[in-house]
Amino acid sequence: DIQMTQSPSSLSASVGDRVTITCRASQGISNSLAWYQQKPGKAPKLLLYAASRLESGVPSRFSGSGSGTDYTLTISSLQPEDFATYYCQQYYSTPLTFGQGTKVEIK
Amino acid sequence: QLQLQESGSGLVKPSQTLSLTCAVSGGSISSGGYSWSWIRQPPGKGLEWIGYIYHSGSTYYNPSLKSRVTISVDRSKNQFSLKLSSVTAADTAVYYCAREGGSGGRSWFDYWGQGTLVTVSS
Repeated sequence: DIQMTQSPSSLSASVGDRVTITCRASQGISNSLAWYQQKPGKAPKLLLYAASRLESGVPSRFSGSGSGTDYTLTISSLQPEDFATYYCQQYYSTPLTFGQGTKVEIK
Repeated sequence: QLQLQESGSGLVKPSQTLSLTCAVSGGSISSGGYSWSWIRQPPGKGLEWIGYIYHSGSTYYNPSLKSRVTISVDRSKNQFSLKLSSVTAADTAVYYCAREGGSGGRSWFDYWGQGTLVTVSS
């Protein structure tokens, strides 16, 4: 199985801050990576796939980058509605696996 | 707009079989070459992919659960189902159904159900 490790596990930030979350795969995944946002009591919401492709309807302040084993989700200017938990997911090989999550909290 | 809705028993006794159904509306489960997955999330924890059924009916399960999982599809009802046998308290989780957004299986999840909590307890 490919292990996905996110860092940090949690962070505190203020509205307007630039936030970066990292996801590292235990082996190369050739940009086969998606990012999700999950709010309490809700299903995850797809933000990006193929490491950097923005899902339709997702604000452009969300962006993704990376290659090989290391990937990044960036929120350019944190908005009140962005406080949530973020997960990465690899789909390079089965079983499909997720990172453990990064909780973004209000500072 | 595609919608997915989970249903099934919310309380299952240990050693019994968990059964859930995902009803798909706003599109056909048989079109587009998509795969349909089950994913679970224990309370306060992360996401675990359980397995998928391809539009052709072929299945792939997470090896960690493979011996206990069956995913099937009912095209006439536009729905797919999950059965997980010999459950224990460790199977207590919110169970989601989801569609894989890329055709051919093994991709990201673009549509999700709202999730249903299944508790394993006597």
